[in-house]
Amino acid sequence: EVQLVESGGGLVQPGGSLRLSCVASGFDFSSFWMSWIRQAPGKGLEWVANIKEDGSEKYYVDSVKGRFIISRDNAKNSLYLQMGSLRGEDTAVYYCVRGGTDHWGQGTQVTVSS
Amino acid sequence: DIVMTQTPLSLSVTPGQPASISCKSSQSLLYSDGKSYLYWYLQKPGQPPHLLIYEASNRFSGVPDRFSGSGSGTDFTLKISRVEAEDVGVYFCMQSIQLPWTFGQGTKVEIK
Repeated sequence: EVQLVESGGGLVQPGGSLRLSCVASGFDFSSFWMSWIRQAPGKGLEWVANIKEDGSEKYYVDSVKGRFIISRDNAKNSLYLQMGSLRGEDTAVYYCVRGGTDHWGQGTQVTVSS
Repeated sequence: DIVMTQTPLSLSVTPGQPASISCKSSQSLLYSDGKSYLYWYLQKPGQPPHLLIYEASNRFSGVPDRFSGSGSGTDFTLKISRVEAEDVGVYFCMQSIQLPWTFGQGTKVEIK
């Protein structure tokens, strides 16, 4: 069974940093692109970033470029999102998604507020 | 960016009756491989979204056959042949032919 478990969310002040993690199990993690997708409170879904199977290609939505870094450790079956210079509009539930499409974790809440 | 427009934004359906949701994209989602990179998700209350339909018309593993997807290019439709109580939630379409991947606004389905 495919499982994706996110962690690392929390309350952070504007301008602060946070590192999200996602541990994958039940599939060959190193063979899949991985994505982060977020959902602001009561809002729709927004794709945030993608990373290729070997980490050689990374893509970001414009609103997080230069502030967020997606990475992975295939030996640990783990996906990460290093978030910096956080803003109120980054407040959302962040989901780890296999391939960006088929399997989603339960999400981790990030709240940016003073 | 490709804009995804869903209609209607809300739907109230009697159990056993059909339902249909439209998703239109501002650019064609048809790739040179012949596939349309359009996905349908259902987000039940308090849960993450889960995949129903991939590449416009392929039912994902475990999805009941009352769900079907159709369309190509810029116009797509999700149909539920006979709505059941467990189908309540918000339905989203998503395109992955071009970055940034973008989603429709969501269609909230409730049972009458």
